[in-house]
Amino acid sequence: EADIYQTPRYLVIGTGKKITLECSQTMGHDKMYWYQQDPGMELHLIHYSYGVNSTEKGDLSSESTVSRIRTEHFPLTLESARPSHTSQYLCASSERGKGRNDEKLFFGSGTQLSVL
Amino acid sequence: GQSLEQPSEVTAVEGAIVQINCTYQTSGFYGLSWYQQHDGGAPTFLSYNALDGLEETGRFSSFLSRSDSYGYLLLQELQMKDSASYFCAVRDRGYQKVTFGTGTKLQVIP
Repeated sequence: EADIYQTPRYLVIGTGKKITLECSQTMGHDKMYWYQQDPGMELHLIHYSYGVNSTEKGDLSSESTVSRIRTEHFPLTLESARPSHTSQYLCASSERGKGRNDEKLFFGSGTQLSVL
Repeated sequence: GQSLEQPSEVTAVEGAIVQINCTYQTSGFYGLSWYQQHDGGAPTFLSYNALDGLEETGRFSSFLSRSDSYGYLLLQELQMKDSASYFCAVRDRGYQKVTFGTGTKLQVIP
């Protein structure tokens, strides 16, 4: 099983603050993803990356940014948090290849963000 | 883009069989995957169909029909611990992004 870590697990902050959600994986996976999910709802892709120095925006319009300077690290930054950003943020990774292994996403435990 | 629709809720009895459907509209994808997510937890991978037909993994089976733009997850011998949300997902052939379906909350009752 892949090991993928997200910190912090919970975060409560005030409006206007800059925050960075951390995501790291130890399996050398090329592909990494950020999803936003409200309770009981579907996962919305906000950013993804094929590898180092490659990032793309997902389907959900987001005011966040990401970077991929190292294979194992894919942080997400909100320059100015707002109450509408309150949600769970899930990071995932997968191998680059063909077939089943390429399709299997491994998820971190998530960061529950509350913006007051 | 990709659009995957699932029933929002399904209830089934312990020990029974339940089918969770996924209908999709897509411009091209590699295959259909299924994930399980318990309340408060992260999604975990269950199965993947690259080709049409049935894939079996223990109590779980998954089916894909590209001609019908349709797939399903079949859970047999339901257990209380199977109560969770289930999501289908596809990886876009062009942009490589992975899109998830609307999700189905399964409740298993005694």
